[in-house]
Amino acid sequence: QSALTQPASVSGSPGQSITISCTGTSSDVGDYNYVSWYQQLPGKAPKLMIYEVSNRPSGVSNRFSGSKSGSTASLTISGLQAEDEADYYCSSYTSSSTLVVFGGGTKLTVL
Amino acid sequence: QVQLVQSGAEVKKPGASVKVSCKASGYTFTSYYMHWVRQAPGQGLEWMGIINPSGGSTSYAQKFQGRVTMTRDTSTSAVYMELSSLRSEDTAMYYCARAAYFDYWGQGTLVTVSS
Repeated sequence: QSALTQPASVSGSPGQSITISCTGTSSDVGDYNYVSWYQQLPGKAPKLMIYEVSNRPSGVSNRFSGSKSGSTASLTISGLQAEDEADYYCSSYTSSSTLVVFGGGTKLTVL
Repeated sequence: QVQLVQSGAEVKKPGASVKVSCKASGYTFTSYYMHWVRQAPGQGLEWMGIINPSGGSTSYAQKFQGRVTMTRDTSTSAVYMELSSLRSEDTAMYYCARAAYFDYWGQGTLVTVSS
């Protein structure tokens, strides 16, 4: 089971919006609505930001939103803030014996 | 509040085994499966497997089949991940995370494999 494909890096200025893509296959992202997104600050454990494609856990800013089209999921962060600078990972459940696959991660830089 | 507290850092020699613990509190331990995920230095997240604390059933990533064993102790609300035949490529931070959505994570346990 290959990792989901994410851009290595994205950047944006404060106040702007950015979108991070997460491309899988018909065996994972394309077949399940169990796509999640995580934010990882340096030296910290990942933090759940989006689950089931577009749901936000309690306490996560509504500036974070998720969507999916076919085998590609997306995370959009609007009104970028300096504190959003972090690594972002997507994950999906899969139909293989390797039940979960992660994306390679995207480093977000706030200019 | 939900907490997952992992055991401390380990240094192991190649060929040895390591056992990492993850103690859960703040929720009904047997109601949520638990994932194990690892992250090599400077690298991405890698799913290792999942355990059902209620019945003890497990499912492992193909990559780790035969080398990983996940267990649980319901009396102490703890899950364990044991990785055997360690090699240098297993040097990583190991995390437990509550299923189904990875909504809570442990603080991580650094395992260093070095001769």
